[in-house]
Amino acid sequence: EVQLVESGGGLVQPGKSLRLSCAASGFTFSSYAMCWVRQAPGKGLEWVSGISGSGRSTYYADSVKGRFTISRDNSKNTLYLQMNSLRVEETAVYYCAKALLSTGGGFYFDYWGQGTMVTVSS
Amino acid sequence: DFQMTQSPSSMSASVGDRVTITCRASQNISTYLNWYQQKPGKAPKVLIHAASSLQSGIPSRFSGSASETEFTLTISSLQPEDFATYYCQQTYSTSWTFGQGTKVEIK
Repeated sequence: EVQLVESGGGLVQPGKSLRLSCAASGFTFSSYAMCWVRQAPGKGLEWVSGISGSGRSTYYADSVKGRFTISRDNSKNTLYLQMNSLRVEETAVYYCAKALLSTGGGFYFDYWGQGTMVTVSS
Repeated sequence: DFQMTQSPSSMSASVGDRVTITCRASQNISTYLNWYQQKPGKAPKVLIHAASSLQSGIPSRFSGSASETEFTLTISSLQPEDFATYYCQQTYSTSWTFGQGTKVEIK
């Protein structure tokens, strides 16, 4: 059974840093791209960042480029998101998601974690 | 930037209704368009991928179609468990943007 379990969320002051983790199990972790998606309270979904299975390729939303860093440790089956210079408006539930290549073209998220809450407030 | 515009942003419908939600891409995204359903307090769940491929385990009342840059999610006969928020997502570019969501509420 595929499981994705996020951790590391909490209360952090504006301008500070936080690192999120996503522990994966039930599939060959290194074979799949992974992503982070966030959702501010009462708002829609926002794709944040993605990383290839090998970790060699990374992608970021313009809103976090230069401040957030996605990485993975395939020996530990764990995905990370290092978030620096956090802003109040980045208060959200952060989800990790497994990406699968569709036979029809393009990727989609076939499994999601339960999310971890990040609150940025003074 | 690839913008995804969903309509309507919310709607009221009754059990048994046929429901259609539209997502328009600002540029060509081929058929790299997915649909997700999200219920309150839960992670999203994929319904449709590649514009019209039904995800395994999803009821056949859900279907997707594409016409150039316009994509449609159709629920043929709305069931009580379908009241939720629906999102489209493009994965054509390297920045996988979502639409703003469509909340389907009980009339």
